[in-house]
Amino acid sequence: ETGVTQSPTHLIKTRGQQVTLRCSSQSGHNTVSWYQQALGQGPQFIFQYYREEENGRGNFPPRFSGLQFPNYSSELNVNALELDDSALYLCASSLEGGGTGANVLTFGAGSRLTVL
Amino acid sequence: GQNIDQPTEMTATEGAIVQINCTYQTSGFNGLFWYQQHAGEAPTFLSYNVLDGLEEKGRFSSFLSRSKGYSYLLLKELQMKDSASYLCAASDSNYQLIWGAGTKLIIKP
Repeated sequence: ETGVTQSPTHLIKTRGQQVTLRCSSQSGHNTVSWYQQALGQGPQFIFQYYREEENGRGNFPPRFSGLQFPNYSSELNVNALELDDSALYLCASSLEGGGTGANVLTFGAGSRLTVL
Repeated sequence: GQNIDQPTEMTATEGAIVQINCTYQTSGFNGLFWYQQHAGEAPTFLSYNVLDGLEEKGRFSSFLSRSKGYSYLLLKELQMKDSASYLCAASDSNYQLIWGAGTKLIIKP
């Protein structure tokens, strides 16, 4: 069984630019969640997608948007990048769209974004 | 508000036992989760508790007291590879995980 894969692993952008991060979920998982993790902090929930629909959103502005595709892969888009967006972006997949099983997450290795 | 508190850093000796505490306040509660994160890597799932009591899984055990909003992760027979950050996360009424900042565990020979 394949795990969660994310791309790119590292990228550097300048303030005001836009970025797209990609995630392939673990085989058999239909739910994808995105997290932002600043250095030395725990992950902050951005949003979750279940069967191509947004299924919950954290306290992030609308310039953070996402998509889930029929094969359950997902994208995170961030517009008008700000310096504070520099962080590790983690994608995690799980089996269910809700319930305890949705919190048993398999994480990808992350995409480290630096905004200059 | 919703909040998770756990110590920032702990140090322990190889072969010993260490207990990492976590207190939580959430809007509703649907379980307490522990994840391990090695430096530069993604978090990996360790355990979860929904009911009060102790869950044992090999060298790792996790305890929950819902009335006290308290959990701990117990690591026995510590090995050098256990050096990592341990993240406590509580699931709220919407089954969204609220994460602590993590406890960095340093194992010394």
